[in-house]
Amino acid sequence: DQQVKQNSPSLSVQEGRISILNCDYTNSMFDYFLWYKKYPAEGPTFLISISSIKDKNEDGRFTVFLNKSAKHLSLHIVPSQPGDSAVYFCAASASGTYKYIFGTGTRLKVLA
Amino acid sequence: NAGVTQTPKFQVLKTGQSMTLQCAQDMNHNSMYWYRQDPGMGLRLIYYSASEGTTDKGEVPNGYNVSRLNKREFSLRLESAAPSQTSVYFCASTEVGGGTAFFGQGTRLTVV
Repeated sequence: DQQVKQNSPSLSVQEGRISILNCDYTNSMFDYFLWYKKYPAEGPTFLISISSIKDKNEDGRFTVFLNKSAKHLSLHIVPSQPGDSAVYFCAASASGTYKYIFGTGTRLKVLA
Repeated sequence: NAGVTQTPKFQVLKTGQSMTLQCAQDMNHNSMYWYRQDPGMGLRLIYYSASEGTTDKGEVPNGYNVSRLNKREFSLRLESAAPSQTSVYFCASTEVGGGTAFFGQGTRLTVV
């Protein structure tokens, strides 16, 4: 049973436009969410996170939105740059569990 | 500051052979994790250690064992490798459960 789902395996966006990556979860106990970026042959690197007490968190070009009632989060990248081309994973955890459950990833390609 | 270091980076095993993947972190983190990444499956948690002296099963623990040797080191052992264990393995650590996880560069394992 996939508790964290990224239903779009890939996404292509023109440079300068907005990239929107989506993630859905099923476990209502999840209260902390993270986005990771992964380049080929490298480990995932942390991008941005959000706690369930918030519905938005911004860091430069990256914004994460959380809709708890819909059990949905999204990552917005504005403006998109070719260097943003990578696989993006969302992850979720529940307080006290020490476990991070990852989605299957979305491959973003930003076209110059 | 090396962060999370995994050895080896690449390994080819024959079916039935055993091996241990090593992971060490120098960030004084309490929690450590082993994940595997497979195409279309994302990152799946194999085992984790919430703190020194404790280990727990993740989503896909069968065929693996772990040892939390000390606060710095967390090893993953394959006792009898199978082709289904061909994957890229990532070690990660967090300061406390629920914080940001930092990942190693990965070990690409092929079982023939």
